[in-house]
Amino acid sequence: KQEVTQIPAALSVPEGENLVLNCSFTDSAIYNLQWFRQDPGKGLTSLLLIQSSQREQTSGRLNASLDKSSGRSTLYIAASQPGDSATYLCAVRARELSFGAGTTVTVRA
Amino acid sequence: DAGVIQSPRHEVTEMGQEVTLRCKPISGHNSLFWYRQTMMRGLELLIYFNNNVPIDDSGMPEDRFSAKMPNASFSTLKIQPSEPRDSAVYFCASSTSRVLSNYGYTFGSGTRLTVV
Repeated sequence: KQEVTQIPAALSVPEGENLVLNCSFTDSAIYNLQWFRQDPGKGLTSLLLIQSSQREQTSGRLNASLDKSSGRSTLYIAASQPGDSATYLCAVRARELSFGAGTTVTVRA
Repeated sequence: DAGVIQSPRHEVTEMGQEVTLRCKPISGHNSLFWYRQTMMRGLELLIYFNNNVPIDDSGMPEDRFSAKMPNASFSTLKIQPSEPRDSAVYFCASSTSRVLSNYGYTFGSGTRLTVV
């Protein structure tokens, strides 16, 4: 069974600092990996989707890398802002979509 | 596109009552998924449909839970009878095709269920 781990569980940084969120998965036979953002009491918003054949994807201040062979992905958020405060979830798609427990980010103004 | 639409947004019911959650996937998406999110267990896949057919319901916790997809634009998740431990946020998600796997999932805003 696919297991997805996200480290750290929580992160607090001052505004302007770069964020680095880690995701690891046990089974490298995946189709793709997706990063989501979840605000308190809200649904999941897709941020980036990386296909298994890709190494990274970028969208604005967000960059996600994928090393399928080692079972790792990293989400980088440059120049963090208070509006980036949320829980970030990593999900890998093989037979089904398996989620990590998330990293809760707080960006202090 | 309005995205994946779930109703109701909030539901409070008494133990033993029947609860029905509804989902309208994105038009053209042929895969639909029901997830449950709790603090203790995170996001859990309950069941998914492909082309309106249930493919895997191994995540459905008990016989009290049932799901249907009568057509490509509507699905329901029913709990009968409901219990306090069913309290959670239930999400519906859709995707273009599970087999192609080149597409991500789009989630609805969820239904927050409280069983008292």
